Amino acid sequence: GQSLEQPSEVTAVEGAIVQINCTYQTSGFYGLSWYQQHDGGAPTFLSYNALDGLEETGRFSSFLSRSDSYGYLLLQELQMKDSASYFCAVREGTGGFKTIFGAGTRLFVKA
Amino acid sequence: EAGVAQSPRYKIIEKRQSVAFWCNPISGHATLYWYQQILGQGPKLLIQFQNNGVVDDSQLPKDRFSAERLKGVDSTLKIQPAKLEDSAVYLCASSLEAGGNQPQHFGDGTRLSIL
Repeated sequence: GQSLEQPSEVTAVEGAIVQINCTYQTSGFYGLSWYQQHDGGAPTFLSYNALDGLEETGRFSSFLSRSDSYGYLLLQELQMKDSASYFCAVREGTGGFKTIFGAGTRLFVKA
Repeated sequence: EAGVAQSPRYKIIEKRQSVAFWCNPISGHATLYWYQQILGQGPKLLIQFQNNGVVDDSQLPKDRFSAERLKGVDSTLKIQPAKLEDSAVYLCASSLEAGGNQPQHFGDGTRLSIL
């Protein structure tokens, strides 16, 4: 079956670095995405990894290891506005590029 | 560019009543998705359209939920009859194509409360 696991909560201080891990089990894996969602808001796309390695976009980086079915989102120079939920999402190819979201990690950034 | 538009923003109904949600995707986006997000959980895909054809509806409770995307643009999602467990935010998203590297752009959602 399909499953994604990520920590339910992470707390960090402003200016620090935090890593949110995601492990997945799925068939027909195509890639791993990350989305950010503030309370009451819409999910917004952060990054996508189809190949092994690190992708960097400003303060955010995302990593994928296909052999380990593992990825992570790295947030640097944390700001208060980064307090939100972060979802990893697997794109799988069985039945037409279906997207499966994890349960989300709630990040609390403290001053 | 204008984002994904959804309406209504909020809806409160009693169980066994019916309700419909509307979505207008970003212009030119071929793929449209409807998700259900229960409080504290990740979005769950209900149905995915490629233009006006259904790509995946494996998680759509077809005895009570229906969706259509006429002319490959706007879409409606209907629930009839509603159950208490349907209380959730219903999110519409669109992407240029269904390819893996295409980001999904989400609307603000419709928050549905069933009494």
